[in-house]
Amino acid sequence: QQQVKQSPQSLIVQKGGISIINCAYENTAFDYFPWYQQFPGKGPALLIAIRPDVSEKKEGRFTISFNKSAKQFSLHIMDSQPGDSATYFCAASSGGGTSYGKLTFGQGTILTVHP
Amino acid sequence: GAGVSQSPSNKVTEKGKDVELRCDPISGHTALYWYRQSLGQGLEFLIYFQGNSAPDKSGLPSDRFSAERTGGSVSTLTIQRTQQEDSAVYLCASTPGPFSTDTQYFGPGTRLTVL
Repeated sequence: QQQVKQSPQSLIVQKGGISIINCAYENTAFDYFPWYQQFPGKGPALLIAIRPDVSEKKEGRFTISFNKSAKQFSLHIMDSQPGDSATYFCAASSGGGTSYGKLTFGQGTILTVHP
Repeated sequence: GAGVSQSPSNKVTEKGKDVELRCDPISGHTALYWYRQSLGQGLEFLIYFQGNSAPDKSGLPSDRFSAERTGGSVSTLTIQRTQQEDSAVYLCASTPGPFSTDTQYFGPGTRLTVL
């Protein structure tokens, strides 16, 4: 029940295209859903995050869509660029934002954007 | 400012040897996490420290793994009698506070190879 399932494992997109990565969870107590971006040889870095009280959050070219009833959330990267090529991880935690909630990570998606 | 640092960046050891991995969190950050990232896998939670509270050790895979955090700052992850399945990248993250929505800032990781 603690799992977060992420798909696809790898994704190839042409420059300017839309990249979509999906995650699904079972634990209804999860209430915080961040996405992390990881470049080779580096640690993951927070990209964007959402709470379940909203269905969508947009920051620049990056958008999280959240479907609470389906227990799914996704990352959309608009106008994908070669510099977006990285591994993306979805994650989830419960803690109400006011207490400790360890992150459960998806398995990761390797995104390659061709110029 | 300085981010999370980890040392060594790479460690090659023989099966059965003990290893120590070090993490220096961002100054002032009260919470510290250790994760393990195996090839092609997501991040697996190992242990969490917050201030002077008892650590959450629920992710440690066996009693060969232990960690300590001295003075609320530097942390050391120790793996005794290493096995080949311990080969992975070990990541450390710190957060400014104890809350589930606090951004986790990751170090670059230590790549451990057990021969």
